Order: sequence, then C-alpha cells, then structure tokens
Amino acid sequence: KQEVTQIPAALSVPEGENLVLNCSFTDSAIYNLQWFRQDPGKGLTSLLLIQSSQREQTSGRLNASLDKSSGRSTLYIAASQPGDSATYLCAVTFQGAQKLVFGQGTRLTINP
Amino acid sequence: DTAVSQTPKYLVTQMGNDKSIKCEQNLGHDTMYWYKQDSKKFLKIMFSYNNKELIINETVPNRFSPKSPDKAHLNLHINSLELGDSAVYFCASSRQGTGYEQYFGPGTRLTVT
Repeated sequence: KQEVTQIPAALSVPEGENLVLNCSFTDSAIYNLQWFRQDPGKGLTSLLLIQSSQREQTSGRLNASLDKSSGRSTLYIAASQPGDSATYLCAVTFQGAQKLVFGQGTRLTINP
Repeated sequence: DTAVSQTPKYLVTQMGNDKSIKCEQNLGHDTMYWYKQDSKKFLKIMFSYNNKELIINETVPNRFSPKSPDKAHLNLHINSLELGDSAVYFCASSRQGTGYEQYFGPGTRLTVT
C-alpha cells in the first residue's frame, strides 16, 4: 500500500533555531513530492515541489531534500520565526497514480 | 487574483439535505481535484478530472457527484447528507500530467447537523 508518514505529529522549538521536518513514503517509485503549509482554518500553500530526478529544492529559508531509495524527504527550515508556525504537510505522487497521497502533517510551533 | 476559489467557505446544513460546492480556477490548468480533510486533519483524494473527464474516483459513496462544465470549473454535489460528511473539502488544480505542482483552494467547511 502506498502511504506517507510524517513524524513527529507536533514540534515546538524556540525562535531562531534551525529545524528539520521528516517525511517517509513506502514506495520509491514516485513522480514527485510536494511540501505544503497549512495555517489554522486556511487552505494549503505549496512550498516546494521536488521531481523524482531531483535531490533537493530551495526557496528562501526552506530546503527540501529527497532520497527515493530510502523513501525519505526532509524539509529544513533555517532561522525559524514565529510566523513559521503552521502545519506542514508532505504529499507524494506515486507512479501509476495521478493523485497526491498526503502524510498526517507535523504541527510546528515556533516560540518567541 | 485568487488562483483557485471555492464557494461557499462555510456550509451548515441538516442531515438528508442536498448541497453543492463550487470550484473555479483561473490558472489555465487542465486537471482539477477534490480532496476531503477529515476531523483528524487527514487529507485524501476524492475525485480528479482532466479536461472535463473523470480520471480518479476514490471509493467515494455515490451520493457524491462531481460535475465539470468546463475545464476551469469542478463542482461537487452531495445528496442525502450524513453526519460523517462533515469535513473540509478542498479543490485543487494542476497542469495535465503527473509532474506538476497542485494548487489548492481555501477549502469549504461543511458541517452536517
């Protein structure tokens, strides 16, 4: 079964710290992996999209890596700010399926 | 300009009623999707349309019927609403194919009482 898992479910860190969010998936045959941010009561904002042929993508303070062989992706957030507080979702498009399979998300809290 | 929009944002209704949620995208995308986010915040695909044709139907009760009048619109009609239908429904769109980023609407929070 094609599944995506995010651990931990919640993370709380002081402002200014660098942090890593984890995502794992059960099948290495993927088309791409997408990281989203969801604020409470809001929709999803796409942060980064990594194609299966890529190893990482960067946008500002965010860096996402992809290791297909181990079925893992990480989202690195540098110099965290209170405004980074949100739920971060990882989603994978597995080969043979034109749909996103989501993880449960990691709820991130940055404490001032 | 809003890329993917949904109406209404909130919908409160009683069991047994029929309701519709509308979605529109102005990104020129060929593919549109409906996702459901349950009370545990887990997001799961329901339907996908490509150029007005249904391509994914993920074991959704037939009380749910998507309709795509054109490739910029994908509406979701729900018959005989049940308590378990309460959730947030998200519309999304992307270019055709599997390598493209999906863009999500703001969601519609449906509460069935």
